[in-house]
Amino acid sequence: NAGVTQTPKFRILKIGQSMTLQCTQDMNHNYMYWYRQDPGMGLKLIYYSVGAGITDKGEVPNGYNVSRSTTEDFPLRLELAAPSQTSVYFCASSYYMDEQYFGPGTRLTVT
Amino acid sequence: TQLLEQSPQFLSIQEGENLTVYCNSSSVFSSLQWYRQEPGEGPVLLVTVVTGGEVKKLKRLTFQFGDARKDSSLHITAAQTGDTGLYLCAGHNFNKFYFGSGTKLNVKP
Repeated sequence: NAGVTQTPKFRILKIGQSMTLQCTQDMNHNYMYWYRQDPGMGLKLIYYSVGAGITDKGEVPNGYNVSRSTTEDFPLRLELAAPSQTSVYFCASSYYMDEQYFGPGTRLTVT
Repeated sequence: TQLLEQSPQFLSIQEGENLTVYCNSSSVFSSLQWYRQEPGEGPVLLVTVVTGGEVKKLKRLTFQFGDARKDSSLHITAAQTGDTGLYLCAGHNFNKFYFGSGTKLNVKP
């Protein structure tokens, strides 16, 4: 099993550009999450999903959008990128509200 | 926002020493998790505590959940260089997890 995969690993965006961070899990997990981690900090929840077709906001959703059309995929969309969105983004999944399995992260720089 | 504060932020110790990391909040959580994160990787779950007053042991690591389910501690006995990493606590409420800012542990040989 690959677990949770994220693409791309690294990306540099110009201010105002848009992009989609991809996340796929092959564990048939119901729950999926997007976090951002700023340098020297913990993780902050951006959006989460409890199943296909159901998404909800986390602590810091502004500037981001998500969709969950399948159990496996949970893409994160950045519209009009801003320097404040420079961060490392982690996707995670869990069967229920238990152990979260994290992907390797996407390091995003907005300049 | 349900804030989780971890202390200390940084800890540098010699191999063989004992240490305790604390995770405190004014909020009550239905469960609390501890993760370890290596540089360039995602966090990996160490333990989940659910019941107030619960103590769990994982080899040299001892985890405790406060009676009021607002705080937790992680105690490492006889630290090894392989324990080096960022330790994160995460409280769970209403489908969401709230992470602390982490304790960066460096164990020197």
